[in-house]
Amino acid sequence: AQSVTQPDIHITVSEGASLELRCNYSYGATPYLFWYVQSPGQGLQLLLKYFSGDTLVQGIKGFEAEFKRSQSSFNLRKPSVHWSDAAEYFCAVYLGADGLTFGKGTHLIIQP
Amino acid sequence: DSGVTQTPKHLITATGQRVTLRCSPRSGDLSVYWYQQSLDQGLQFLIQYYNGEERAKGNILERFSAQQFPDLHSELNLSSLELGDSALYFCASSLRTSGLDTQYFGPGTRLTVL
Repeated sequence: AQSVTQPDIHITVSEGASLELRCNYSYGATPYLFWYVQSPGQGLQLLLKYFSGDTLVQGIKGFEAEFKRSQSSFNLRKPSVHWSDAAEYFCAVYLGADGLTFGKGTHLIIQP
Repeated sequence: DSGVTQTPKHLITATGQRVTLRCSPRSGDLSVYWYQQSLDQGLQFLIQYYNGEERAKGNILERFSAQQFPDLHSELNLSSLELGDSALYFCASSLRTSGLDTQYFGPGTRLTVL
């Protein structure tokens, strides 16, 4: 079955340090890929998306993600995190007429 | 602010009851999606409507139903509620029904079943 895996439930990063959140998908073809962020008590906000073309995509808030077909991965990165980046991050795929399929999420904690 | 509104923000009810959650999509969006977020199941797609018609079904229980009205707002009806239905219910909207269209999420309705 098609699925999305976020292997890290929690990640702790010091403020100013770089960040990489992992996402792997299981799908026969290249899916449409998304990263969303959910701040406490808020809905989900789209950070970036990948459909085709350049495998490095830029998003909002200084985030970027790289699609690697050989590894079935779509990892999210940020060169320097800020305390306001503390949130829950979700990787998602669109596989057709079934809405978005989300990973379980990665909880990002920022240490001062 | 995504432009998607959901009411109510919080809902507390008892087992066996029925509730209705309401969603207003962004202006101009024709598709509405409903998702359930719970601790054990994570974020799950329930159902999609496009321009008033049901478009896709996900993991929606038979006790749950939804509809989209001519003004494009949508309602999710949950009946015979069980403790396990306690969750955050999100509505999202998009311009059309293509996966290329960004889904914009509302702030959610937190349902607590006692």
